[in-house]
Amino acid sequence: QAVVTQEPSMTVSPGGTVTLTCGSSTGGVTSGQYPYWFQQKPGQAPRTLIYETSKKHTWTPARISGSLLGGKAALTLSGAQPEDEADYYCLLYYSGLWVFGGGTKLTVL
Amino acid sequence: EVQLVESGGDLVQPGGSLRLSCAASGFSFSLYWMMWVRQAPGRGLEWLANINEDGTKTNYVDSVKGRFTISRDNAKNSLYLQMNSLGAEDTAVYYCAGGHKVDSWGQGTLVPVSS
Repeated sequence: QAVVTQEPSMTVSPGGTVTLTCGSSTGGVTSGQYPYWFQQKPGQAPRTLIYETSKKHTWTPARISGSLLGGKAALTLSGAQPEDEADYYCLLYYSGLWVFGGGTKLTVL
Repeated sequence: EVQLVESGGDLVQPGGSLRLSCAASGFSFSLYWMMWVRQAPGRGLEWLANINEDGTKTNYVDSVKGRFTISRDNAKNSLYLQMNSLGAEDTAVYYCAGGHKVDSWGQGTLVPVSS
């Protein structure tokens, strides 16, 4: 089974910009792996922010965007807000199966 | 309002079985793939299985293949996860998710496996 890697933790200053990445043990992440990004706050269910690399749901803040960057999927938060402090998970598709990354704990400080 | 509500979580002994349910409302359940995801205490999310719109195609992560079965009843707008041969490593909160581009998640149901 493929392994999906994310930074374990990152810190961003309020109003700052941070990019979280999502890599694959099988090689570069492609659009054909339909990268998803989810946000989870303590005690809550996950919430889907980004699907198919860069597409947003209606509730996804405009300051959050998805892309492919340097062979990885990337989630960029521009103008970080205190409410962005959460765990972020990516999800990648592998021929019928899906694999989550280990998650990134984002601190806004 | 789009909603997924899981039920069926309960304390189960090692080697036991349990069936989880997920009731969908507020969207056209029969039009979408659905999946089960779990989260062990203090750990990350783990994708377990998914099922296509009419229930004819399923996929499983290796760790549950042969032990867990995902199914659905579109007439009842419901998703299920039959879990057999449970072990301590299966202790987790189990979530159902799906809809248009996974726009819906349930609140989760806790399954502790312990003697």
